[in-house]
Amino acid sequence: DTEVTQTPKHLVMGMTNKKSLKCEQHMGHRAMYWYKQKAKKPPELMFVYSYEKLSINESVPSRFSPECPNSSLLNLHLHALQPEDSALYLCASSLRTSGSWSYEQYFGPGTRLTVT
Amino acid sequence: ELKVEQNPLFLSMQEGKNYTIYCNYSTTSDRLYWYRQDPGKSLESLFVLLSNGAVKQEGRLMASLDTKARLSTLHITAAVHDLSATYFCAVDIVDAGGTSYGKLTFGQGTILTVHP
Repeated sequence: DTEVTQTPKHLVMGMTNKKSLKCEQHMGHRAMYWYKQKAKKPPELMFVYSYEKLSINESVPSRFSPECPNSSLLNLHLHALQPEDSALYLCASSLRTSGSWSYEQYFGPGTRLTVT
Repeated sequence: ELKVEQNPLFLSMQEGKNYTIYCNYSTTSDRLYWYRQDPGKSLESLFVLLSNGAVKQEGRLMASLDTKARLSTLHITAAVHDLSATYFCAVDIVDAGGTSYGKLTFGQGTILTVHP
């Protein structure tokens, strides 16, 4: 089973709301990722978790707060977002991140976020 | 900073024709991925290329990697309408010791349209 699931599929939130995106995988992967993708642009890496620890933060504003409660679950907590944060948020997972080998990333279906 | 450039960015092809998408990158890496994305959907992994000279084929698509030239190609043979999508290459950054950290940098994407 090479499936990464994400909920919700769509989310509309106001600039003062707090919401969370959820990502889950049951492939035994120990690396999980958050990407942001604007329309007609490539995905941009936001965060990388390796063995439930944050290993890469690509200078993402603090209004985005990631959390990895266990090896199967990744959350992205959202607070006080701006309209320009509207995008498709993609979660991915891979067997590992680091090492002398490169591990294929499997992407979830994404959450389409609209900030009003 | 790693730069990944694809060309062309837009490709309109007739069914049955052949064409090649190019992916150039600016720093040493022997780890390159090709993904496909349909409109409004997530990324589907097509090819994983992990060494110089790697060549992989699946159906009408063939990908290759030349690490000396820092170039990967995605060749389309006898295009069909079902191949219409956006294609991304992505490069995995490795450090001087050859260690990967799962930090993918994507090209801009090539929007492929196949018409009768």
